[in-house]
Amino acid sequence: NAGVTQTPKFQVLKTGQSMTLQCAQDMNHNSMYWYRQDPGMGLRLIYYSASEGTTDKGEVPNGYNVSRLNKREFSLRLESAAPSQTSVYFCASSDTVNTEAFFGQGTRLTVV
Amino acid sequence: GEDVEQSLFLSVREGDSSVINCTYTDSSSTYLYWYKQEPGAGLQLLTYIFSNMDMKQDQRLTVLLNKKDKHLSLRIADTQTGDSAIYFCAAPWGGKLIFGQGTELSVKP
Repeated sequence: NAGVTQTPKFQVLKTGQSMTLQCAQDMNHNSMYWYRQDPGMGLRLIYYSASEGTTDKGEVPNGYNVSRLNKREFSLRLESAAPSQTSVYFCASSDTVNTEAFFGQGTRLTVV
Repeated sequence: GEDVEQSLFLSVREGDSSVINCTYTDSSSTYLYWYKQEPGAGLQLLTYIFSNMDMKQDQRLTVLLNKKDKHLSLRIADTQTGDSAIYFCAAPWGGKLIFGQGTELSVKP
């Protein structure tokens, strides 16, 4: 099984450009998450979706939007990229918040 | 809200035991988790413990939970160079999964 698939794996953006990070899971999970990982900061939750049709802000939502397109797909959009958004982004999914979360391989984003 | 804290680095010699510590603030979590991240990869679940348990052992891994002090630890016996990775503790809270900062374990031959 593919599990959680993120695209792209690497991306370089100029300040002010926009882009969408895609995430899809094939495990029929209800919950999906977007995290960013920065050195010394661990994983910080950007947005999450507890079920199809719902999205909620996490710890660091400013500058991002999300769409839970259907049960499989949860995308993250940067409308106007800033250097502070340079990070590694991870998508994850789980059946519920109390069950194992499965992670994608990550997207390494650099904003110059 | 839930706050999960870990120290950032741990260095051990091959064959020694490693102990990675974590503290959390909200005691209502049903489960507490340890995830492992190898270089260039996403996180994978390593082990977990129910909140009504004090200890869980799984081969070389021992998880200890002190609910009174809100302290969780992961002990790796006979640490190998292949155990070098970042280890995250995590707790569910409010429909979200909250992670600590991650402890980078370095195993020296």
